[in-house]
Amino acid sequence: EPEVTQTPSHQVTQMGQEVILRCVPISNHLYFYWYRQILGQKVEFLVSFYNNEISEKSEIFDDQFSVERPDGSNFTLKIRSTKLEDSAMYFCASSLQGNEKLFFGSGTQLSVL
Amino acid sequence: GESVGLHLPTLSVQEGDNSIINCAYSNSASDYFIWYKQESGKGPQFIIDIRSNMDKRQGQRVTVLLNKTVKHLSLQIAATQPGDSAVYFCADEGMNTGFQKLVFGTGTRLLVSP
Repeated sequence: EPEVTQTPSHQVTQMGQEVILRCVPISNHLYFYWYRQILGQKVEFLVSFYNNEISEKSEIFDDQFSVERPDGSNFTLKIRSTKLEDSAMYFCASSLQGNEKLFFGSGTQLSVL
Repeated sequence: GESVGLHLPTLSVQEGDNSIINCAYSNSASDYFIWYKQESGKGPQFIIDIRSNMDKRQGQRVTVLLNKTVKHLSLQIAATQPGDSAVYFCADEGMNTGFQKLVFGTGTRLLVSP
């Protein structure tokens, strides 16, 4: 069964450093998403991406965050200057159409020290 | 504000029993509801969904019930197995933007004893 893959599985960084989290969505999917889950809390929507542009973003997704689809297969989340409170599990997801079910990756655990 | 929440944080059952996991939502405009299962170290895995024009939907060993009057959603798992042990999240589509801007509940941990 096709799946969403994320790399790395764990990322440790120093506060203020830039990080890039990488995702390969399912190949024929058109809609891409990032969600995050702070330890012990709910999974939260960050951003949705379609047709090479952001379609919607949450209040969490401030100017420190950006997303990019640099080629036909990868979808990245960049945090320019990480803060301690950015520590979380970040999930990438994709769907074939906008109103269809999401397939999630296994996540990248980001730890900001 | 909009919220999706769960009544119980942990549910313990015996193998073979039926499990019922409950969820309350607050957004009466929600049109689409999903149950996800999350095993340790993995991302949420789709189980079953239901749209607001239905009140029941069945899958393989799972049934989702939707009561729009009281804004309540439940997941029933028949003949629960140890492999069903996981955290279960309900989610709704939030503001129904056409994109999957899901609003997740806190999660219920299901523990299945042999």
